[in-house]
Amino acid sequence: GAVVSQHPSWVICKSGTSVKIECRSLDFQATTMFWYRQFPKQSLMLMATSNEGSKATYEQGVEKDKFLINHASLTLSTLTVTSAHPEDSSFYICSASVQGYGYTFGSGTRLTVV
Amino acid sequence: DAKTTQPPSMDCAEGRAANLPCNHSTISGNEYVYWYRQIHSQGPQYIIHGLKNNETNEMASLIITEDRKSSTLILPHATLRDTAVYYCIVRVDNAGNMLTFGGGTRLMVKP
Repeated sequence: GAVVSQHPSWVICKSGTSVKIECRSLDFQATTMFWYRQFPKQSLMLMATSNEGSKATYEQGVEKDKFLINHASLTLSTLTVTSAHPEDSSFYICSASVQGYGYTFGSGTRLTVV
Repeated sequence: DAKTTQPPSMDCAEGRAANLPCNHSTISGNEYVYWYRQIHSQGPQYIIHGLKNNETNEMASLIITEDRKSSTLILPHATLRDTAVYYCIVRVDNAGNMLTFGGGTRLMVKP
């Protein structure tokens, strides 16, 4: 139980375009979703916390106008990387906290901006 | 959450036990020790957790010292598929606020 489905698993986009990453909770309701970013050979770094029906909370140094997070329902949270640049190329992972179960993670999205 | 210290990398021969250490000398009495692993290009996966008693499940065993200042994750018969980065995390519970990941230990299981 407590599965998070993340799509796409990989995407290549051109500089200046926008990319949307979706995370769906399949068998539970996710009131809170965490978005992480991971650069090669580095650990996961929290970008933002999204709460259903309210604005996301961004970590220091993360541009909220560039990384748009929408959590309009209890089963779907999206991260849109706007006007992507090569330095945004990274591995993006979503995670949900499930009471009585723990943390469950999406399978990750590898974004390459060319 | 208490800070943890792990070796950056370890090697293990396939079929042998992999023992991954973690130091958490500032752990509080109500904090658990959690272990997650991340196989390359995948999301992290929960392995095991414990408070003060040793724990075992189908994936691994967790040995926590009596003073709780350190612990060891044991993969009894490592396989090539166990090659991953292993994260030791200390926190009060396994839900709620976000998980904070340290550097972890990159385990390489070799044939």
